[in-house]
Amino acid sequence: QSALTQPPSVSGAPGQRVTISCAGSSSNFGAGYDVHWYQQLPGTAPRLLIFGDSNRPSGVPDRFSGSKSATSASLAITGLRVEDEATYYCQSFDNSLSPPQWLFGGGTKLTVL
Amino acid sequence: QVQLIQSGAEVKNPGASVKISCKASGYTFINYFIHWVRQAPGQGLEWMGIVIPDGGGTAVTQKFQGRLTMTRDTSTTTASMELTGLRPDDTAVFYCARGPSDSSSRSLFSFDHWGQGTLVTVSS
Repeated sequence: QSALTQPPSVSGAPGQRVTISCAGSSSNFGAGYDVHWYQQLPGTAPRLLIFGDSNRPSGVPDRFSGSKSATSASLAITGLRVEDEATYYCQSFDNSLSPPQWLFGGGTKLTVL
Repeated sequence: QVQLIQSGAEVKNPGASVKISCKASGYTFINYFIHWVRQAPGQGLEWMGIVIPDGGGTAVTQKFQGRLTMTRDTSTTTASMELTGLRPDDTAVFYCARGPSDSSSRSLFSFDHWGQGTLVTVSS
């Protein structure tokens, strides 16, 4: 069971907006650690999509955006495209454990209808 | 450009060990952490441990303690991991990933570049 909780699946039609939630706790998000998001296309390695809650690496379209509040975070995708169909993971850090842990959510599979 | 190139797929018998390498290029090797992440078939991502190239320090998550050894060779800019006592449920793709170490950067604690993955199949 992941310390970061994501819905297993979401779906949307091309052109629509979808959001993917990520629930954390007081020992990760609540302790001030950032959330990062990854996109994993089928059969490929994950790719960093959002870092530091809401920042996009170069090359990531501005259709992707991230936000975070006290103990939860979300990834929004606007103008949905077929090529966005992938699994999305949130990730953070927890310094309350020994050793400190890099945590992943369980992943959310996005289906573009 | 930053690249992490991993060694090829492996097939191992239960009880054996596997060693995977991760050759880094396109950046200053000692300035970034190297992490190892496991992904079982159809499952999510699981952080295994970290090696700090500048000094060689490591930390292994509790699940893999006693079975996982991570090393680095700064002369060849290569990180390696060895997992011992393999079981069929260790069958997975293993990734190395680069981790920023700059405490002033918002990318701290993220994984900004990934290797292509190495499939390890454990079967008798």
